[in-house]
Amino acid sequence: EPEVTQTPSHQVTQMGQEVILRCVPISNHLYFYWYRQILGQKVEFLVSFYNNEISEKSEIFDDQFSVERPDGSNFTLKIRSTKLEDSAMYFCASSENGGGVTEAFFGQGTRLTVV
Amino acid sequence: GDSVTQMEGPVTLSEEAFLTINCTYTATGYPSLFWYVQYPGEGLQLLLKATKADDKGSNKGFEATYRKETTSFHLEKGSVQVSDSAVYFCALSRGSGGGADGLTFGKGTHLIIQP
Repeated sequence: EPEVTQTPSHQVTQMGQEVILRCVPISNHLYFYWYRQILGQKVEFLVSFYNNEISEKSEIFDDQFSVERPDGSNFTLKIRSTKLEDSAMYFCASSENGGGVTEAFFGQGTRLTVV
Repeated sequence: GDSVTQMEGPVTLSEEAFLTINCTYTATGYPSLFWYVQYPGEGLQLLLKATKADDKGSNKGFEATYRKETTSFHLEKGSVQVSDSAVYFCALSRGSGGGADGLTFGKGTHLIIQP
């Protein structure tokens, strides 16, 4: 069964460092998303991406964050200068259509720890 | 803004017990409601959904009914199994397919089923 894969499963980085989280969405999907969950908190929407541009982003997704689809298979989330409060589980998702019309499939998550 | 509140965990039950995980929401208009499940080491999976008032979503023995009058979408199962041990997330969306656009999640409830 097709699945969304995320790497690495756990990333430890020093405060102020850049980090890139990687995702491989399901191959025929066109809409891509990042969510995050700070420990003990709710899963929060970060950004949605379609046709090589951001279609929606939350207030969490500030200038420190960027997303990219560098090739036909990967979808990345970059945090330029990590802060302690960026420590969270980051989930990637993809769906065939946008607007919540078709089911989104989530990856297993990347746990980011900023020290 | 939209919000979802679900009961805190962990919830520990014996096999074959009856399960209820409470979920209430706050939203304007008529959102669609979802339950997602995350098994250990895996991504979030759509478990069931309901797109309008009085709809009942069901899957794998789990059920939830969209109650507009009480703004609730409680998850129930008549007889749980050890394999149901997972984290369960209640969510709402403006879309009806379970797609990730504009998903608002609860904090998640960790369910532990003991043999």
